[in-house]
Amino acid sequence: DQQVKQNSPSLSVQEGRISILNCDYTNSMFDYFLWYKKYPAEGPTFLISISSIKDKNEDGRFTVFLNKSAKHLSLHIVPSQPGDSAVYFCAARNTGNQFYFGTGTSLTVIP
Amino acid sequence: DAGITQSPRHKVTETGTPVTLRCHQTENHRYMYWYRQDPGHGLRLIHYSYGVKDTDKGEVSDGYSVSRSKTEDFLLTLESATSSQTSVYFCAISEQAGSYEQYFGPGTRLTVT
Repeated sequence: DQQVKQNSPSLSVQEGRISILNCDYTNSMFDYFLWYKKYPAEGPTFLISISSIKDKNEDGRFTVFLNKSAKHLSLHIVPSQPGDSAVYFCAARNTGNQFYFGTGTSLTVIP
Repeated sequence: DAGITQSPRHKVTETGTPVTLRCHQTENHRYMYWYRQDPGHGLRLIHYSYGVKDTDKGEVSDGYSVSRSKTEDFLLTLESATSSQTSVYFCAISEQAGSYEQYFGPGTRLTVT
């Protein structure tokens, strides 16, 4: 049973506009959430994270929002750039140090 | 870039044969993980290690075993490979501090025919 879900397999955005990637989870015991970016034939690379005690974390063009009551998090990329085109995975950590990943959203930024 | 390598990078094997994948790190990180990536499933945790000789099961551990005799090496073994184990396997390392970020290796593409 998928505990972390990314319901949008793909997203296309014009260069310079905002990209919003969404993620939902079912386990209220998750205490940390992370976003990873993955290019073809490479391993995922860490992008940004947020603790369950916060509702927002910002790092440059990337902001992650957490809505615990809705069990929902989102990643905002502003402004989007062609180099941001990749697959984005959200992940959640439980207190047992196990991580659960979503199925990924493929972002295409159109020049 | 975190010093993490995986070998082999590609392997084709036949059903019923044993296969061992190796993950090697030079970062002296405590935690090491094995994941598999399949279409429609994202990354799923197979096994992880929180220290030398200390390992635990993940959500898809059936058919897999692991060993960690040294901090730098984490081995994943398929005792008798099946076609359902055709996948891309990723190793990851972490210090489990701060942001809990994991650093991933480049992956091993395994095909079981």
